[in-house]
Amino acid sequence: DSGVTQTPKHLITATGQRVTLRCSPRSGDLSVYWYQQSLDQGLQFLIQYYNGEERAKGNILERFSAQQFPDLHSELNLSSLELGDSALYFCASSVESGQPNEKLFFGSGTQLSVL
Amino acid sequence: AQSVAQPEDQVNVAEGNPLTVKCTYSVSGNPYLFWYVQYPNRGLQFLLKYITGDNLVKGSYGFEAEFNKSQTSFHLKKPSALVSDSALYFCAVRSIPSGSARQLTFGSGTQLTVLP
Repeated sequence: DSGVTQTPKHLITATGQRVTLRCSPRSGDLSVYWYQQSLDQGLQFLIQYYNGEERAKGNILERFSAQQFPDLHSELNLSSLELGDSALYFCASSVESGQPNEKLFFGSGTQLSVL
Repeated sequence: AQSVAQPEDQVNVAEGNPLTVKCTYSVSGNPYLFWYVQYPNRGLQFLLKYITGDNLVKGSYGFEAEFNKSQTSFHLKKPSALVSDSALYFCAVRSIPSGSARQLTFGSGTQLTVLP
């Protein structure tokens, strides 16, 4: 068990809808990362938050947004969903001490199916 | 920009035989290289990392990886494969030249199947 908790594990919704994915990082970790994993795109970095502030942005669509709350949990909001948004969404956390050798701890992911 | 290439989508090996999963990278600064493993219905788990020093890095579950700067490679190896090693393996790189972001860039993954 990595200590990173993601809910829900599975989400089935329709096109045009909006969903929220939730992530609780490991105790003591200040940084949260969101990744999207799909068969055609592989593992894509979406966005990183550190102690409540956005730190880095990757291939995140404008329809997607995220935030990190004072208790350090994070939510990824996906709106105007399209069939192509169906994927496994991972959250990862790290202490983010600034050292390049830091490793990430991943949650088990949320499988999103857009029908 | 930084990138990682895993040239093989699939690697099959017989149990007890040595295995190699290939990875090459491209960075503009010093590379920090990682291997992660993903078992079915699970998140990625850290296996090992290269920062500096010895080119042969030892990690979890008997895996090791060899850093080769001239070939910009970081191949994952294990002397004797187990059926339980069957999983999806990701190589990742992080480079921190001055002012760049710190997030990891992952390769496309290699599905390792160890046959009994």
